[in-house]
Amino acid sequence: AQKITQTQPGMFVQEKEAVTLDCTYDTSDPSYGLFWYKQPSSGEMIFLIYQGSYDQQNATEGRYSLNFQKARKSANLVISASQLGDSAMYFCAMREGLTGTASKLTFGTGTRLQVTL
Amino acid sequence: GAVVSQHPSWVICKSGTSVKIECRSLDFQATTMFWYRQFPKQSLMLMATSNEGSKATYEQGVEKDKFLINHASLTLSTLTVTSAHPEDSSFYICSARYRDTETQYFGPGTRLLVL
Repeated sequence: AQKITQTQPGMFVQEKEAVTLDCTYDTSDPSYGLFWYKQPSSGEMIFLIYQGSYDQQNATEGRYSLNFQKARKSANLVISASQLGDSAMYFCAMREGLTGTASKLTFGTGTRLQVTL
Repeated sequence: GAVVSQHPSWVICKSGTSVKIECRSLDFQATTMFWYRQFPKQSLMLMATSNEGSKATYEQGVEKDKFLINHASLTLSTLTVTSAHPEDSSFYICSARYRDTETQYFGPGTRLLVL
């Protein structure tokens, strides 16, 4: 079974609108962390936001927020007020196990977001 | 802060030659670095975990004699693709775990083309 599932291969959003990118995960470990990265066409991976499994509140970083629904095992990324520069590939990733234990990340297949005028 | 560099950014080499890629954490020390491979339009696949002062841990299916990893200092890890073949052509990207946080910061990647 896939550990990280991103069901939207591509998404379009109009500039200044909000968009939600879906991510579901599968783990039996009670300790885990969830990440979102942005990969523009240049190839670099840009860290956006992190959510720990024990965090009580949803993570937010500027225009990015993570809609963490633990019971549903989902960690959707919400981008508010989309900008043209947000057009990129977005990857959801998970670290299983306690903090510091290797910290290996498993990535989803990604969602390509295109922001239109 | 948390800047990771990679060098070279792209390389073209002949089949049979070896290629070394460097990954540096510029403003922090990283006891753990990671090497990923990404094929076009696909996700990142972890190749190995590089620990300073010890042998790298390779993922299943990754040949450790083919992809040599050396993490000689707290700011530098290198990946050497030995006897490269065209099927090794890919985008190689490293990351460094930032201090005691959960977050991995990535380098800009290296595009390798083996002719």
